[in-house]
Amino acid sequence: GAVVSQHPSRVICKSGTSVKIECRSLDFQATTMFWYRQFPKQSLMLMATSNEGSKATYEQGVEKDKFLINHASLTLSTLTVTSAHPEDSSFYICSASSADRTDTQYFGPGTRLTVL
Amino acid sequence: GENVEQHPSTLSVQEGDSAVIKCTYSDSASNYFPWYKQELGKRPQLIIDIRSNVGEKKDQRIAVTLNKTAKHFSLHITETQPEDSAVYFCAASKEGSYIPTFGRGTSLIVHP
Repeated sequence: GAVVSQHPSRVICKSGTSVKIECRSLDFQATTMFWYRQFPKQSLMLMATSNEGSKATYEQGVEKDKFLINHASLTLSTLTVTSAHPEDSSFYICSASSADRTDTQYFGPGTRLTVL
Repeated sequence: GENVEQHPSTLSVQEGDSAVIKCTYSDSASNYFPWYKQELGKRPQLIIDIRSNVGEKKDQRIAVTLNKTAKHFSLHITETQPEDSAVYFCAASKEGSYIPTFGRGTSLIVHP
């Protein structure tokens, strides 16, 4: 149980384009979803936290207009990187928690974004 | 806010040896401490966790200890195997605030 999927696993795009990443909880209702960014050999950097049906809460230094997060249902959250630039290239990982285990996060497999 | 320090950043052991990774936290209100294992290019996976009402927890070759007074917790892996090679992250969070603070990670290398 507690499976989280993420799509796509890899994406390569040109500078200036927008990229959407989907995060789905497959067998539980994710009341809260989290989006992380991870640089090579570094820790997980929390970008934002989203609760179903409400606006995401962004961490300090994360541009909300650059990284659009939507949590439209209890099983789906999306991260859209708008007008991507090479410095946005990174590993993006989502995670989800359920109402009965709010302190446990289940991670998606991650999305490797490369912006040319 | 919470600050989690993790040491060492890299740990190299021979197969069969034990490995210990240590973390300290700053917020005495933190009461949940999970450990994650992340293989290269893959998702972090929860391997063991401990709550502040428990001092030690064991699951086969993996154990975690918690010292609330000193505000530190450790991951112990016995009889290490090459497949234990990965990056391990500790984290701390508190009830009511489900957002964990992660340590910087420890790259464990187990040499066959």
